[in-house]
Amino acid sequence: ILNVEQSPQSLHVQEGDSTNFTCSFPSSNFYALHWYRWETAKSPEALFVMTLNGDEKKKGRISATLNTKEGYSYLYIKGSQPEDSATYLCASPKGGNQFYFGTGTSLTVIP
Amino acid sequence: ETGVTQSPTHLIKTRGQQVTLRCSSQSGHNTVSWYQQALGQGPQFIFQYYREEENGRGNFPPRFSGLQFPNYSSELNVNALELDDSALYLCASSRWGVATDTQYFGPGTRLTVL
Repeated sequence: ILNVEQSPQSLHVQEGDSTNFTCSFPSSNFYALHWYRWETAKSPEALFVMTLNGDEKKKGRISATLNTKEGYSYLYIKGSQPEDSATYLCASPKGGNQFYFGTGTSLTVIP
Repeated sequence: ETGVTQSPTHLIKTRGQQVTLRCSSQSGHNTVSWYQQALGQGPQFIFQYYREEENGRGNFPPRFSGLQFPNYSSELNVNALELDDSALYLCASSRWGVATDTQYFGPGTRLTVL
C-alpha cells in the first residue's frame, strides 16, 4: 500500500484567482504520478501523467510540476473559472498500474 | 466520456446480503481495476484483473472477489455485506502493467447497505 497525501482537503477561491495544491507520494520505487479531475456525477477524467523529475505539463490554464526526489507534485490553476470546480485527485501506481490515490482536493470557484 | 460502463448505477442492499457489480472495459484494454470510494476518502484500490485472474489486491478481505471475462469485462462480488461497504465503486480499464498509461474510469456504482 502506498501512502499518497493531498492538501488542502478543500479550497474555495473567487473567479479569476489562481490557486495550487499539493500531492505527496513515496519517492522510492517511483513509476509515475497521475492527476485526475473529478466533477460531480461524472467519471474521473485524466489530466496529466508525469514521470520525470522536473517534469512540467500544461493543459490550458492548468499545469503541474513534479519532484520525484522529494516526492511531491503541484497542480496549478491560473485564473480559476466556475467550470474548474471539481475534486482533483492524484495517484501513484504500484506494481505496474495499481493506482493508489490521495484523498483529493475539492475546489469550489465562486463566481 | 470514456468507453467504460458500469451497472447498476445505484443499488440498495441490506446487511448480510451479497451484491454483484459489473464493468465493461474500453476497447483495446485488457486490464480492469476496481476501487472503493467511501465518503471523505479517495478511491481505494480493491484489486485488478488481467487475463481473467486477480493480479494484486489492496487491503480488502476475501469477501470481496471478482471475475474477468474473455471480452475483458469484469464483475465485483461482495458477500456478507456490512454497513461500511456503503460507498461508490469505480472500475477502470487500462492496458496491462504500464504505469504511465492512463486508467479510464466508469461513472461508478453507488452501493448503500442498510
